[in-house]
Amino acid sequence: QVQLVQSGAEVKRPGASVKVSCRASGYIFTTYYMHWVRQAPGQGLEWMGIINPDGGNTAYAQKFKGRVAMTRDTSTSTVYMELSSLRSEDTAVYYCARAIKWEYRFMDDNWGQGALVTVSS
Amino acid sequence: ETMLTQSPGTLSLSPGERATLSCRASQSVSSNYLGWYQQKPGQAPRLLIYGASSRAPGIPDRFSGSGSGTDFTLTISRLEPEDFAIYYCQYFGNSGLTFGGGTKVEIK
Repeated sequence: QVQLVQSGAEVKRPGASVKVSCRASGYIFTTYYMHWVRQAPGQGLEWMGIINPDGGNTAYAQKFKGRVAMTRDTSTSTVYMELSSLRSEDTAVYYCARAIKWEYRFMDDNWGQGALVTVSS
Repeated sequence: ETMLTQSPGTLSLSPGERATLSCRASQSVSSNYLGWYQQKPGQAPRLLIYGASSRAPGIPDRFSGSGSGTDFTLTISRLEPEDFAIYYCQYFGNSGLTFGGGTKVEIK
């Protein structure tokens, strides 16, 4: 069965960086794009970007350009999202979410369990 | 960047009633790239509708989507207890993906 397993919760100081991992299993890693979405406590969904594991091409939301980097390691079927210059407003649960096979613009039912990132001094 | 405005913010209805949720785009968008998700507390979102009107695999036919241009609608024909949740519309355009602010469907 498809599984997306993310790294654990992190606590970071303002100005620091965080790198969240998402290890995929149960399918051919390079055949599905992967989205990153975050959700602040009690708030809505916010899209951060997308990566094509086959080649590593990325597209980022304008809001995060220059501060986010998405990478992948095909040897371990893992995608990474690194966010730098953290501020308190970045406190959120960060999800990886697999795109549907025939249309990368939508996410299917396979999401990671989420990684809570808390930014606090 | 295309903004999506969902209304109402909260919809209070009883099981068995019809729910009509609205998603308005700040500019005309391609219906091919408009979708709807359902999120329940403590769970990840679930894709309901893609391409404005196509149901995702396994989604009951009481869920339907419609619309074009700037105005899109998600309709739940008869609310089941498990349908009380938050619903988000989504659009993926040239500037990337945008979510609407969400509509909470709560039990009246």
